[in-house]
Amino acid sequence: QVQLVESGGGVVQPGRSLSLSCAASGFTFNTFRLHWVRQAPGKGLEWVACISTDESKTFYADSVRGRFSISRDNSRHTLHLQMTSLRPDDTAVYYCARGWAEFDLWGQGTLVTVSS
Amino acid sequence: SYVLTQPPSVSVAPGQTARITCGGNNIGSKSVHWYQQRPGQAPVLVVFDDSDRPSGIPDRFSGSNSGGTATLTITNVEAGDEADYYCQVWDSITDHWGVFGGGTKLTVL
Repeated sequence: QVQLVESGGGVVQPGRSLSLSCAASGFTFNTFRLHWVRQAPGKGLEWVACISTDESKTFYADSVRGRFSISRDNSRHTLHLQMTSLRPDDTAVYYCARGWAEFDLWGQGTLVTVSS
Repeated sequence: SYVLTQPPSVSVAPGQTARITCGGNNIGSKSVHWYQQRPGQAPVLVVFDDSDRPSGIPDRFSGSNSGGTATLTITNVEAGDEADYYCQVWDSITDHWGVFGGGTKLTVL
């Protein structure tokens, strides 16, 4: 079955770190660019980060650059997002998605809540 | 940064046609993609590259991009089409950013 499954969300205090993972199955993992997209409660979609097929290139939204790090393990078909210095406005459902310029497959999302 | 502008809401009666617009600077030079997001669910791609449909998406969904505006058109609207719709571009010319519009809530009356 072609799918993406996120994990790692939870409640974390401001200033702390959290790591998210996304497990892929059912497709040739290393041929797709991968992304993280988030959605704050009641708000719209916000693209967060992207990584190239061979891990050589990464791109970030201004709002997370320098605090978040995207990586992938092509041997384990897994995408990661390391989040540091978390702020309350990072509270959101985090989705992993695949695609070059459009996102044709999404996971179900994992909720990250940044609160003291 | 590149900005995409959508109307916050669109309402339409069942069986009618809904049109959701997406505006941006020189948007005609970009490929626009559209997503449907039902409450509590992940987004689903319904139109890519302005007017192409992924497999499994009904042909009631179509897209266009001309005259400075991209448009998602849903014909013969059904109750199940009630959802939030987002346009999106990949602004590779500048900073390789994924840009989403603010979203449009489609209400089926």
